Amino acid sequence: DAGVIQSPRHEVTEMGQEVTLRCKPISGHDYLFWYRQTMMRGLELLIYFNNNVPIDDSGMPEDRFSAKMPNASFSTLKIQPSEPRDSAVYFCASNDSGTGNSPLHFGNGTRLTVT
Amino acid sequence: SQQGEEDPQALSIQEGENATMNCSYKTSINNLQWYRQNSGRGLVHLILIRSNEREKHSGRLRVTLDTSKKSSSLLITASRAADTASYFCATVGGSNYKLTFGKGTLLTVNP
Repeated sequence: DAGVIQSPRHEVTEMGQEVTLRCKPISGHDYLFWYRQTMMRGLELLIYFNNNVPIDDSGMPEDRFSAKMPNASFSTLKIQPSEPRDSAVYFCASNDSGTGNSPLHFGNGTRLTVT
Repeated sequence: SQQGEEDPQALSIQEGENATMNCSYKTSINNLQWYRQNSGRGLVHLILIRSNEREKHSGRLRVTLDTSKKSSSLLITASRAADTASYFCATVGGSNYKLTFGKGTLLTVNP
């Protein structure tokens, strides 16, 4: 399996622009997680899905952030409008039983820079 | 908020030496996991230890868990330059499935 695939790897955009990050989880995994990593705050869970349904979005910082999972093989994280403080590395991860007893498989992340 | 806190924040050793990293957490857990992150890459799972286990081994890795002290340690024996990375502990607790990460220990293994 190719693992969790994220695109793009790098995104540079100007403040106010819309940003869309994409993720393809490992086939057969029914849980998908979006994390954000910054030096100051470390890794923060933004939202996770089970069987394409959002389960917990309490980590989404504000209404400018939205996430969707239209099918089992694709998810997006959208920021509209983007702000400089959104600059971070965004990771997608998946597993097949929630995080209770199985490890997460991470993609290589999207490094977002908002100027 | 972060559940696990790694200590030290940074560790520099020579190749062949052992490296020990510690993790403390605040609330009860179902299991604790350790991950490695190489620069510019995603996290890679290393080992999972359940709350009823005290020690676990995987190759050169040894993890201990002390639930009474709410702490865990990761030992890497006979370190190699390729072990240079950040190491994170992550906890799962209660009835939710959120995996909460600490801020990590940056390990540098000098050749």
